[in-house]
Amino acid sequence: QQQVKQSPQSLIVQKGGISIINCAYENTAFDYFPWYQQFPGKGPALLIAIRPDVSEKKEGRFTISFNKSAKQFSLHIMDSQPGDSATYFCAASMEGGSQGNLIFGKGTKLSVKP
Amino acid sequence: ETGVTQTPRHLVMGMTNKKSLKCEQHLGHNAMYWYKQSAKKPLELMFVYSLEERVENNSVPSRFSPECPNSSHLFLHLHTLQPEDSALYLCASSQFLGGDEQFFGPGTRLTVL
Repeated sequence: QQQVKQSPQSLIVQKGGISIINCAYENTAFDYFPWYQQFPGKGPALLIAIRPDVSEKKEGRFTISFNKSAKQFSLHIMDSQPGDSATYFCAASMEGGSQGNLIFGKGTKLSVKP
Repeated sequence: ETGVTQTPRHLVMGMTNKKSLKCEQHLGHNAMYWYKQSAKKPLELMFVYSLEERVENNSVPSRFSPECPNSSHLFLHLHTLQPEDSALYLCASSQFLGGDEQFFGPGTRLTVL
């Protein structure tokens, strides 16, 4: 079953804190795991992505941790800022798939309090 | 215009109306997508086009009809919709099919009365 489970549904973090969002997948054929960020009134935008040949990828304050054996990956936002308040979606797909399907999680609404 | 644009941004229609959503990408991409985003469900892929040919139709009701006249434009024709079709409809594009970054437009907020 091609499904990506995301938690929590919503998250409130104080400014300067660490935001952690988790995702789990079932299809072991997935080999591309992006995180998208969506602000109100906007479409989702790619934030950071990882492939299973590495266990961690960091870009600025954003880090993906990937656990292939557990079929889980997570997004960590360090030093969270009010401007990070948005909805975050994890996704998974098979690179080179003829259909190009990204399977999305349900999203996490993050609020960073000043 | 840059990126992916969608028009209209908001649409209210009755169940018997016919309307169309338009998407245009200015990125030179070869693949385009329609997604449905509703409050309680994940982003749902509806249609995929690669080089103007449809490659995916995820069991979408026939009241939704896509059209891709060229690699830069994508339409979603709507007719006899149901209130449960009210949602945000997002268009996206990518350089190629597969595990590639998808660039999303801002969406059309559709309300079916």
